[in-house]
Amino acid sequence: DIRMTQSPSSLSASIGDTITITCQASQNIGSSVNWFQQIPGKAPKLLLYGASTLETGVPSRFSGRVSGTTFTFTITNLQPEDFATYYCQQYDNLPPTFGGGTKVQI
Amino acid sequence: QVQLRESGPGLVKPSETLSLTCAVSGDSVSSFFWSWIRQSPEKGLEWIGYISNTGSRNYNPSLWGRVTMSLDTSKNQFSLDLASVTSADTAVYFCTRGKATPYTWGQGSRVTVSS
Repeated sequence: DIRMTQSPSSLSASIGDTITITCQASQNIGSSVNWFQQIPGKAPKLLLYGASTLETGVPSRFSGRVSGTTFTFTITNLQPEDFATYYCQQYDNLPPTFGGGTKVQI
Repeated sequence: QVQLRESGPGLVKPSETLSLTCAVSGDSVSSFFWSWIRQSPEKGLEWIGYISNTGSRNYNPSLWGRVTMSLDTSKNQFSLDLASVTSADTAVYFCTRGKATPYTWGQGSRVTVSS
C-alpha cells in the first residue's frame, strides 16, 4: 500500500492566518491526491481533487499543489468555519490510503 | 443532490457478521461506483472497498476474505457484510459515492464490537 505521511498532526492558528499542511507519498503518484475537511461528528467533505482542483462550491482560499511526491495544502485568510481536521488521500493505486490528519485549532 | 444514509446495528458480538445498508437518494445505484470507508482512532480512515453499477467489486486486501458488498437496484441501496469481527473492527462506517475518490458521504454509522 502507498503510505501518506501527513504533517503536522495539529497546529494552532488565528483568524486571517495562512496555514500549510503537507503530505508525503511513499512513491510517485502523479497528481492523484484528494484533500478533505472533517468537522467533529460529521463525515469528511471533499475540498480538492487532482492535487489542486477545487471541488464545486469550495472557496478559493483553499488551494493545493504538488512537487514530486510532496503534496501541499494551503488555507489563506483562515475563517472560523475552517477550524477542523484535514486529510489527504491518494487514489493512484488501490487501495486508496489516507494521511493521519491535521487538526487545525484556534 | 445525492444523499446517502447508513443503517444497521450499533452493536455486534465478536466473531459475528457486521451488516450495514446504505440507502441512496438523488441518484441510482445503477449509475456509478459505491464504496465503504471506516474511521477509528486507532487506524484513522480506512478504505474498505467498492462495488460498481455492473457488480464488479474490489476490496481492501487487509480485509480480504471477510468483506462482501452487494447492490439492490430495486431498493436503490447497497450493502456491506464484514464477517468474523473483532474489537479492531469497532469504527464509524461511512458509505460513499465513488470508486477511489469519495465524492459524497453518508453521515456515518457507529458500530461497536463487544460481547
